[in-house]
Amino acid sequence: DQQVKQNSPSLSVQEGRISILNCDYTNSMFDYFLWYKKYPAEGPTFLISISSIKDKNEDGRFTVFLNKSAKHLSLHIVPSQPGDSAVYFCAASAEGGSNYKLTFGKGTLLTVNP
Amino acid sequence: NAGVTQTPKFQVLKTGQSMTLQCAQDMNHNSMYWYRQDPGMGLRLIYYSASEGTTDKGEVPNGYNVSRLNKREFSLRLESAAPSQTSVYFCASLWGQSNQPQHFGDGTRLSIL
Repeated sequence: DQQVKQNSPSLSVQEGRISILNCDYTNSMFDYFLWYKKYPAEGPTFLISISSIKDKNEDGRFTVFLNKSAKHLSLHIVPSQPGDSAVYFCAASAEGGSNYKLTFGKGTLLTVNP
Repeated sequence: NAGVTQTPKFQVLKTGQSMTLQCAQDMNHNSMYWYRQDPGMGLRLIYYSASEGTTDKGEVPNGYNVSRLNKREFSLRLESAAPSQTSVYFCASLWGQSNQPQHFGDGTRLSIL
C-alpha cells in the first residue's frame, strides 16, 4: 500500500517555464512534507518542506503548496533551469517522537531543456 | 564538512557472502537511518536508530542487521547476500526527532551475483 504517490514518472519542460511536480498521500496522520532532489550518483538533498499548518511555503524559485482536504501537494519551480534536471522525491512524516520516519514517493524525473 | 559519509561507494558480492556497509556522520545528529533504492521505487526504510543504543525495523528489514556503534556510526550488515539485495543503499541522519529534513550520504552501490 503506497502511502505517498508520485504518479508522473517523468516531466519535461523548457528552460524559463514553470515546472509543476505533484504528490498525493493517503495517510491522514502525515503532518510534515518534504521535497528532495537527487542527481545521479549522489544522495538526495533536501529542497523544501511544509508543515500541515500551512498551505504554502516559498524559497526562492521553489514553492510548495499543500491541499490537505485533497491530500495533495505540489512543487512549483519558476523559472526552470537546466540545472534543475534531476529526480524529485516527495516525502511525508507523521507526528514526531522516537518513531520519526519519512515515507517516500517513487520520484519524478524532471528534464529541463535549454 | 563531510556530513554523512558512506563506505564503500561500490561493491560486488557473490551470493552467500557477507558484507558490512559503514556510515558515519559528523553533525552530532541523534537519529540515523538506512534506506535502499531500487529502479522505479522510492527510498524504502530498512532500519533506523532514533538515538544511540536503540535500533528499530523499518519497512524492509529482512536479510539485514544493524549496529549503532556510537553516536556517529551506524552500520548495515548483510549476513548472507542474495541477488534481491542488489540495490543502492543510502544512509541518512537527523539532529532531532521530528519535522526536520534528513541528511543523506552519497550511497553505496551494491551488486550481488
